[in-house]
Parts: sequence; structure tokens; C-alpha cells
Amino acid sequence: QSVLTQPPSASGTPGQRVTISCSGSSSNIGSNYVYWYQQLPGTAPKLLIYRNNQRPSGVPDRFSGSKSGTSASLAISGLRSEDEADYYCAAWDDSLGVVFGGGTKLTVL
Amino acid sequence: EVQLVESGGGLVQPGGSLRLSCAASGFTFSSYWMSWVRQAPGKGLEWVANIKQDGSEKYYVDSVKGRFTISRDNAKNSLYLQMNSLRAEDTAVYYCARGTRWGLFDYWGQGTLVTVSS
Repeated sequence: QSVLTQPPSASGTPGQRVTISCSGSSSNIGSNYVYWYQQLPGTAPKLLIYRNNQRPSGVPDRFSGSKSGTSASLAISGLRSEDEADYYCAAWDDSLGVVFGGGTKLTVL
Repeated sequence: EVQLVESGGGLVQPGGSLRLSCAASGFTFSSYWMSWVRQAPGKGLEWVANIKQDGSEKYYVDSVKGRFTISRDNAKNSLYLQMNSLRAEDTAVYYCARGTRWGLFDYWGQGTLVTVSS
């Protein structure tokens, strides 16, 4: 049972826009930044979004993050086959340290 | 180019010990918080521990407190994780990651597999 709640799966067709939600509480998302990570099959995770909505250099602007209250979302527009991966949200929890969501497996149909 | 290379994983019996190492290069190691993050087979990511630039602050997930110790040697550009009293549920790929205290991990190693089994 993860502290941050994500849907286990999401899907879309090429070119579509998909969103992945991440729900937390006042002790984590509600008072700290949210981070998003992409993990392609068989590889280490990669930072996708930091400080709620900032993209590291090299991450396409098709990826965007947002936060409202105790929830956050990752949006992927213009979906591509190479976006098929597991996506994780993360945040600092004032009592528990760094907490991750359980992950969302994105399938491109 | 930033590189993080983990080593030290392997098969260990329950109750045993293992020491993981992470060799860093391509950046000023002493300027960054460092972390260990693990992933059990087929499961999600779990933060394990992190350590401040000078080693003066360390944080751990509750499940490893008292059993695992994170440390670093800035002269050797190396991060360590001493794991004692290992349990089956500690079986995972352990990643070394650079970042901040708060959950930003901007570079990751390739991971090293720890298997706890009799």
C-alpha cells in the first residue's frame, strides 16, 4: 500500500493525450514538491518532472506536470509508442521521508 | 558525463550482511545529496535512505532503520549502503541516485541485485 496513490494502468492511442493522477495528503503533496519518473522496460528510472511542473533539459514538452492541493497529475500529449513505460510520482513526506506512488503502467495501443 | 556505478550485490542468506558501493564520476560528488532507492522484482520504487553532502544528515525508510547504514567517502567519490540482518523482503534491485533530500533524483545508476534467500 503506497503512500501516494496512482492508477495501476493507463492507455491511449498514438497522438492522444493521457493523464496520470497521483493522490497524497497534506504531509506530502500538500506541502512539498512532486516529482515524476519514467521507467522504460529493463532500465533505471529517469527524471521527467521536478518541482511539480518543471522539465529537465532533454525532456520533450509533450510531458507536463501540475499540482493542486494534495493531488498531482502528469499529462502526456501527442502520445508515442516510445512513451510506453511505468510512471511514478514521488514527494517528500514530513514523517516518512521520500515516498513514491505505486506506479502506473502506460500502454500505447 | 555523470556516471553512477553500483556494485556489491549478490545472494545472501536471511540474517546475513552485504555492503553495496556506488562509484560516482563526472560531477562534484561532495556537492550533492545521494540516495539509495530499491525495486523488488515486479514491484514499484521504494526510497531506502539518503545522506547529506558532508554526511552530517541521514534519513531512512522505517523498514530499514537499525539494520541499514548509509555512508559516503567524498575523497573516493563513493556512496555505500551497509545492510545487516537481511530479510527476504529486502530482495530488490538497489539503485544509487544523485539528487536532493526531497525526492529529486536526477541521475541513477544501473542498479545491483540483492537476493536474500536460503
